[in-house]
Amino acid sequence: NAGVTQTPKFQVLKTGQSMTLQCAQDMNHNSMYWYRQDPGMGLRLIYYSASEGTTDKGEVPNGYNVSRLNKREFSLRLESAAPSQTSVYFCASSEARTGFNEKLFFGSGTQLSVL
Amino acid sequence: AQTVTQSQPEMSVQEAETVTLSCTYDTSESDYYLFWYKQPPSRQMILVIRQEAYKQQNATENRFSVNFQKAAKSFSLKISDSQLGDAAMYFCAYRSAWGGSEKLVFGKGTKLTVNP
Repeated sequence: NAGVTQTPKFQVLKTGQSMTLQCAQDMNHNSMYWYRQDPGMGLRLIYYSASEGTTDKGEVPNGYNVSRLNKREFSLRLESAAPSQTSVYFCASSEARTGFNEKLFFGSGTQLSVL
Repeated sequence: AQTVTQSQPEMSVQEAETVTLSCTYDTSESDYYLFWYKQPPSRQMILVIRQEAYKQQNATENRFSVNFQKAAKSFSLKISDSQLGDAAMYFCAYRSAWGGSEKLVFGKGTKLTVNP
């Protein structure tokens, strides 16, 4: 039972390079999320997808794009990486869209450094 | 906008003793949910406990319990009989109960060290 799988676990980019962070869940969840975590900060929502075919901006969407490829997969793309995007990125999924019964399942994170 | 404040960047506790982590939040809503998440060195976020705002009874999960004070907007986490495996970052989080609200608002976290 893999849960939420993120790749890669670590990545170093140069300013201006692009890359895509991959996320897949095997729990048949409808909702998927991308968060970033910076030192001394809690997690902040970048984008989310309430269901296959839909995506919406979260708190800090600038500089990112997402694709909900199918129900299982939700990717995060950095078109032109900047040092300010150095962070740990977490993908999460949940069955319910809102409410108490929603339990978020997180991946193990991607440590991204932009030089 | 809602905010979540964890005023203790770091805490330490002796193994087998009890520790309380503080969390306060600011909201104008009357119905919402509160959560504590644990993030061990493996980085994966794990749900520890959750509380519905309309329930006065404090949530309990084995050695973990909360002290929910709605009027004071306080939601502290008590860990009893602390174990070495409890060492982690702990995040308090808030979520609106209103439909369509997708965002969990997290505090900045408290690093808990458990001393043997």
